[in-house]
Amino acid sequence: EAGVAQSPRYKIIEKRQSVAFWCNPISGHATLYWYQQILGQGPKLLIQFQNNGVVDDSQLPKDRFSAERLKGVDSTLKIQPAKLEDSAVYLCASSPNGEFAATYEQYFGPGTRLTVT
Amino acid sequence: RKEVEQDPGPFNVPEGATVAFNCTYSNSASQSFFWYRQDCRKEPKLLMSVYSSGNEDGRFTAQLNRASQYISLLIRDSKLSDSATYLCAVHSGGGADGLTFGKGTHLIIQP
Repeated sequence: EAGVAQSPRYKIIEKRQSVAFWCNPISGHATLYWYQQILGQGPKLLIQFQNNGVVDDSQLPKDRFSAERLKGVDSTLKIQPAKLEDSAVYLCASSPNGEFAATYEQYFGPGTRLTVT
Repeated sequence: RKEVEQDPGPFNVPEGATVAFNCTYSNSASQSFFWYRQDCRKEPKLLMSVYSSGNEDGRFTAQLNRASQYISLLIRDSKLSDSATYLCAVHSGGGADGLTFGKGTHLIIQP
């Protein structure tokens, strides 16, 4: 079974520029999550989708971050404009949890390592 | 008090030894608990789900203590390949299913 795919793997941008990350979850997984992991910290949830609807975006800095999952499959996360403190690894995870499954196990993609200079 | 707390370590343990970590959580309504393993510059990988009755997978045993609000991970006969960061994750229930992670415990197995 193919895992969660993410691209790009690495990105370096200057502050105030914009950047977008892409994620394709495990096939059939209804729920998709974006996490931010700063060096030395555990992953922090940014947003959760179930199918194409947002379930939780309470920790997403909405003044600069946006995310969508238009067709309920792959997703993009955008930062505009980027700040130095956005330097982190952005992890996408998926879970089969949804209408017909009640498991909260999440499976992570390889992440995108963002450096803002 | 932070939602999920772990001792960051590092734990330096000789090969073959037994090592245990604890993770405390603050939300008594938390429902599901997990241990993830994260290697340097890699993504977290699910190691074990933690059930109320405890569970064991080979050399790894996870326990849940709801009364004291902590979970534990025990590694027996540790191998060099067990060196990694071990992240504790908690699902608090309700409609939002995102996990709250601790900062992780760094384990170094020494030959």
